[in-house]
Amino acid sequence: AQSVTQPDIHITVSEGASLELRCNYSYGATPYLFWYVQSPGQGLQLLLKYFSGDTLVQGIKGFEAEFKRSQSSFNLRKPSVHWSDAAEYFCAVGSNNAGNMLTFGGGTRLMVKP
Amino acid sequence: DSGVTQTPKHLITATGQRVTLRCSPRSGDLSVYWYQQSLDQGLQFLIQYYNGEERAKGNILERFSAQQFPDLHSELNLSSLELGDSALYFCASSVAPGGGTEAFFGQGTRLTVV
Repeated sequence: AQSVTQPDIHITVSEGASLELRCNYSYGATPYLFWYVQSPGQGLQLLLKYFSGDTLVQGIKGFEAEFKRSQSSFNLRKPSVHWSDAAEYFCAVGSNNAGNMLTFGGGTRLMVKP
Repeated sequence: DSGVTQTPKHLITATGQRVTLRCSPRSGDLSVYWYQQSLDQGLQFLIQYYNGEERAKGNILERFSAQQFPDLHSELNLSSLELGDSALYFCASSVAPGGGTEAFFGQGTRLTVV
């Protein structure tokens, strides 16, 4: 069965500092990987996705993520965090079976200090 | 705005009652998904429909049922409600049903069972 682990429940960074959110997955084949962001009271917005090809993927809002098969990881990075990035971030792995269910990690809540 | 519309936004009901949550997918999307987000279980996949047919099923309770209508909107019916059913219920949609297809999420319906 597929699973996703986000080891950090909370992270606090200063505005302007760099950010890395960790994500480890378990999946039998080549995974489809996603990062979503959820702002308070909002739905989930897709930041970026990895299906195949280049292991470094660029997303919206200046985010990027790197797929490392050897480490079963898909960490999210941003070189300079803005106060508006404060939100909860979810990593997810998608099934490539008949359906398209996403299995989400537990989320990482990001707080940004001024 | 993702283009996925969920109604109502908030719902408060008593234990033992039945409620219906409604979802209108993005224009052109044929597949609809339901997810539950709770504090103890996190984000969990419930069920997926594609063009009116059930496509994939997750950890959906027997007290819960869903369907997708010919106009592609979907309803999630929750019956014999318990306190533990209090959660944020998300609908998502995608153009295709298969693995890796990008899913767009609505803003959710917050259900409170008292």
